[in-house]
Amino acid sequence: QSALTQPASVSGSPGQSITISCTGTSSDIGGYNYVSWYQQHPGKAPKLMIYDVNNRPSGVSDRFSGSKSGNTASLTISGLQAEDEADYYCCSYTSYSTVVFGGGTKLTVL
Amino acid sequence: QLQLQESGPGLVKPSETLSLTCTVSGGSISSSGYFWGWIRQPPGKGLEWIGSIYYSGSTYYNPSLKSRVTISVDTSKNQFSLKLSSVTAADTAVYYCVKPSAPNRRQPFDYWGQGTLVTVSS
Repeated sequence: QSALTQPASVSGSPGQSITISCTGTSSDIGGYNYVSWYQQHPGKAPKLMIYDVNNRPSGVSDRFSGSKSGNTASLTISGLQAEDEADYYCCSYTSYSTVVFGGGTKLTVL
Repeated sequence: QLQLQESGPGLVKPSETLSLTCTVSGGSISSSGYFWGWIRQPPGKGLEWIGSIYYSGSTYYNPSLKSRVTISVDTSKNQFSLKLSSVTAADTAVYYCVKPSAPNRRQPFDYWGQGTLVTVSS
C-alpha cells in the first residue's frame, strides 16, 4: 500500500481559512468513508481532529471541518489561530483491512 | 480515563528484535470488540501504521512490515506487545500504542500512548 498524498506545507494568516488535501485511491479514500485527520504539535502525540470524513470528536473546535470527493479528502481550518500551527496527517482504512497515513502537512500561521 | 503506556528498551542493536509493551489502565483490554494497535514515526518524518490486534487475537499488519512484525495480547496483564525482528537503522522511530474510538474499527485513533523512542544502533 502506498502512503496517501498530502502537500508538504501550507500557510495562512490569522483569521484566514486553509485547506489541506489528501489524495488516495479507490482502495482507500475513495472506497470508504473512513478518513480521519490528526494534529501533531512538536514533541507531542497526534490528536484526533476529524473522523469518518466529516465528524468532530467532542472538544474539537468547529473551526475544523472535513470533506471528501472521489479519492481526495480535505481538511479545512477556518479562522486560523496561532495555536493551529502544527503538522497534520490524514488517515484512511483500506480494502486490504489495513490503515494508511498521508505523508503529513506542515501548517504555518504567518 | 483510559491511558496507554509504552515500555521497552530505548536502544536495540542492528539485526536484533525490537520488543515493546503497551500497558492499558483505566479500562479492560478484553472489552468487547476493540482493536489495539501500534504506529511509529521516524525522527522528522511522518506516521506509519504498523498493525493492530483484535481483543480476541486476530492480527492485521502493514504489508511492508508483515514479514518482521508480531503483535500479541496478554489479557491477564492488560497489555499488548510488539515485536519487530531483524531491525536496521531505518526502524529508529518513536513508537506509539493506540486504541480506536469505536469497536470493530481499525481506526480512527482517539487514544495514544505518549510514545517511546527506540534507536537502532550498535
